[in-house]
Amino acid sequence: AQSVTQLGSHVSVSEGALVLLRCNYSSSVPPYLFWYVQYPNQGLQLLLKYTSAATLVKGINGFEAEFKKSETSFHLTKPSAHMSDAAEYFCAVSRGGSYIPTFGRGTSLIVHP
Amino acid sequence: DGGITQSPKYLFRKEGQNVTLSCEQNLNHDAMYWYRQDPGQGLRLIYYSQIVNDFQKGDIAEGYSVSREKKESFPLTVTSAQKNPTAFYLCASSIEAGGLNEQFFGPGTRLTVL
Repeated sequence: AQSVTQLGSHVSVSEGALVLLRCNYSSSVPPYLFWYVQYPNQGLQLLLKYTSAATLVKGINGFEAEFKKSETSFHLTKPSAHMSDAAEYFCAVSRGGSYIPTFGRGTSLIVHP
Repeated sequence: DGGITQSPKYLFRKEGQNVTLSCEQNLNHDAMYWYRQDPGQGLRLIYYSQIVNDFQKGDIAEGYSVSREKKESFPLTVTSAQKNPTAFYLCASSIEAGGLNEQFFGPGTRLTVL
């Protein structure tokens, strides 16, 4: 079985500060990992995904994530937060074959002026 | 533009009624999914379909039903057997099920039981 844990249901940062959203996974086989963003009352949109090609993955809107096998982590970062980054962020894990992704519970990012 | 559409955006249901949520995609994707979203609980899988005329139960299928008669369409019916149906419902699709294929999501339908 695979699972995802997102530490912190809410993260609050000031505009211009570093954003760090944590995701730890559990998988018995090499995983595929995803970060999605959800703005209020909308669907999810893919930010980035890890498919084993490179451990540091760059996504849209200046976000990136680093796959660390030894720590079973895939944390999402952005050097400088913008007000427009305020949203819900979901980490998801999948694996080869027709395995359906498992989503974390989400982290709400709050950005203060 | 290719994408996924869900309708209606808001839906109100009286207790004891069945309602059907629409999901249509023009991405030519084989796999489609329905999720339920409640505050603080993330996304929970209701049903998924890997190919036309085939679908499987997810983690919380009780009180829900689906059909997949066309590749583009995957409607979800919330039956009166679903005891707590008030939630935000998301439909998604992917080229194929699982693996490294990312999911594309519709805008969602918010269902409220009166």
